[in-house]
Amino acid sequence: AQSVTQLGSHVSVSEGALVLLRCNYSSSVPPYLFWYVQYPNQGLQLLLKYTSAATLVKGINGFEAEFKKSETSFHLTKPSAHMSDAAEYFCAVSDPTTGTASKLTFGTGTRLQVTL
Amino acid sequence: KAGVTQTPRYLIKTRGQQVTLSCSPISGHRSVSWYQQTPGQGLQFLFEYFSETQRNKGNFPGRFSGRQFSNSRSEMNVSTLELGDSALYLCASTQTGQSPYEQYFGPGTRLTVT
Repeated sequence: AQSVTQLGSHVSVSEGALVLLRCNYSSSVPPYLFWYVQYPNQGLQLLLKYTSAATLVKGINGFEAEFKKSETSFHLTKPSAHMSDAAEYFCAVSDPTTGTASKLTFGTGTRLQVTL
Repeated sequence: KAGVTQTPRYLIKTRGQQVTLSCSPISGHRSVSWYQQTPGQGLQFLFEYFSETQRNKGNFPGRFSGRQFSNSRSEMNVSTLELGDSALYLCASTQTGQSPYEQYFGPGTRLTVT
């Protein structure tokens, strides 16, 4: 079974500061990994995905994530936070080998607060 | 292209009733997945439909069911509603054949059971 752990249910940063949201996964096979963002009263929007082609993945809105197999991590970063980044962020994993690649297992989410 | 649409957006039901939620995927997407989001349990996978067949299923009781039509539109049904079924139900569509299966989510249906 796969699982995802997101450390920190709430993260607060100042506008212009580095954003770091942590995600560790557990999987017996190289997984597919995703980061999604959810704004209030909205669905989930895909920020980026890990395809195994490159360990550093760039996504939308200036976000990027680095896949580190040795640390089983896929942390999300952004060099400079904007007020508009305030939202809830979810890390998700799926297993590409068992026919369940479309079944996402989500972490518990991290709410990002951006202050002036 | 239009995004994933879900109807209704908000719903209030009474315990014991049944409810049907609808999802229209992005044009050309043949896979539809459903997720339940609650403050306590987070986001949980319900099931996935592809070509009118249930392809994957999560760990939910049989009161939760779904179906997919030939135009890829999907419905999910919850019978004998319980208070704990109050949640945001999210539908996601996928353009199958495109690894690693990017899922595009709709805005959700917020179900309140009283």
